[in-house]
Amino acid sequence: AQTVTQSQPEMSVQEAETVTLSCTYDTSESDYYLFWYKQPPSRQMILVIRQEAYKQQNATENRFSVNFQKAAKSFSLKISDSQLGDAAMYFCAYRSPIHNAGNMLTFGGGTRLMVKP
Amino acid sequence: EAGVAQSPRYKIIEKRQSVAFWCNPISGHATLYWYQQILGQGPKLLIQFQNNGVVDDSQLPKDRFSAERLKGVDSTLKIQPAKLEDSAVYLCASSARGQLNTEAFFGQGTRLTVV
Repeated sequence: AQTVTQSQPEMSVQEAETVTLSCTYDTSESDYYLFWYKQPPSRQMILVIRQEAYKQQNATENRFSVNFQKAAKSFSLKISDSQLGDAAMYFCAYRSPIHNAGNMLTFGGGTRLMVKP
Repeated sequence: EAGVAQSPRYKIIEKRQSVAFWCNPISGHATLYWYQQILGQGPKLLIQFQNNGVVDDSQLPKDRFSAERLKGVDSTLKIQPAKLEDSAVYLCASSARGQLNTEAFFGQGTRLTVV
């Protein structure tokens, strides 16, 4: 079974600065998908960014980018120019390539990000 | 496009009582998921439906939890009888069938407190 670990329970960043959230995972599969989700106090999980394991290029979405190290099984999220609205819980998630798995996600324990004005 | 709808938003019950949660997925989404998120933890899959059939319910405590998705649209998750450790947020998600990298869309969840 796959496991996802987020070793930072809490992180804080000054507004407009850059912060990196860490995630490691364990799998024996060679092809899979990785995601970062944001969960604000409203509780709704919002997709931030996704990475296909077969792609060597790191995914980027505006101020959000990832550092995907397949051999090290590491998948960190970098948030540039942090904004107050970025404050939330962030979850790293893994999805198997097995077709019947659909979109079943295995989540890490989360990192609470605080943004200081 | 309307998102995933869940109700109620909050529910407080006494232990040994029963409770039901309702989810309406995004129109046309064949796959529906129920996740349990205990405070301070990441969500954990309870059950996955493809249309009205169960794909995975390996982590569903079947002695007290049940779920159905009649007609392959709305879904109901029931707990009977509830235990204190069932206090959690119950998240419903849905995704379209087809491409393997299809995004899952989440509802706002139901926060259950068992006292």
